[in-house]
Amino acid sequence: KAGVTQTPRYLIKTRGQQVTLSCSPISGHRSVSWYQQTPGQGLQFLFEYFSETQRNKGNFPGRFSGRQFSNSRSEMNVSTLELGDSALYLCASSLVGASYNEQFFGPGTRLTVL
Amino acid sequence: DQQVKQNSPSLSVQEGRISILNCDYTNSMFDYFLWYKKYPAEGPTFLISISSIKDKNEDGRFTVFLNKSAKHLSLHIVPSQPGDSAVYFCAARVNSGGSNYKLTFGKGTLLTVNP
Repeated sequence: KAGVTQTPRYLIKTRGQQVTLSCSPISGHRSVSWYQQTPGQGLQFLFEYFSETQRNKGNFPGRFSGRQFSNSRSEMNVSTLELGDSALYLCASSLVGASYNEQFFGPGTRLTVL
Repeated sequence: DQQVKQNSPSLSVQEGRISILNCDYTNSMFDYFLWYKKYPAEGPTFLISISSIKDKNEDGRFTVFLNKSAKHLSLHIVPSQPGDSAVYFCAARVNSGGSNYKLTFGKGTLLTVNP
């Protein structure tokens, strides 16, 4: 079974631009969660999607948005990029999302904002 | 407001000895705790978990202890091996309504096991 895939793996953008990251969950998984990892803050929860609906949301500004498609693939968008958005963005998939020991992470997308 | 705290950013241990990673939390509504391990250039992988109704869970070389009164949990690795060198994240789960749950992670502890 293929694992969670994220594209692109690396991205360089400049301040003010917008970016879209993609996550393909494990086949059959309906829940996709997004996290931001920075050295100073660790892993911070962005949002979770389940069956195309946002089910949970973290404390990030509205510049961070996401969506999930009918095939469970998910995208995350960040508009008006700031230097502080430089981070590793991780997505994780699970069957239903409630039992987090079944959550599988992708390798992440490393975003650098210049 | 850091609800899950890993106060040691790094820990260095000799191969064969015990590694103890600590985690403190503030939210008494957390009902499940997990430890994840992360190697560079990879996503975190689940290691071990414990329900809030238990005080110990063991899986091979890994044991997690939970002290609810102190709002403290720890991960013990015995014996430590060089391949255990990674960043370890403590995470806690809370019910966010209905059957929905949310995970809060600590900032991580970099464990280095020296041969």
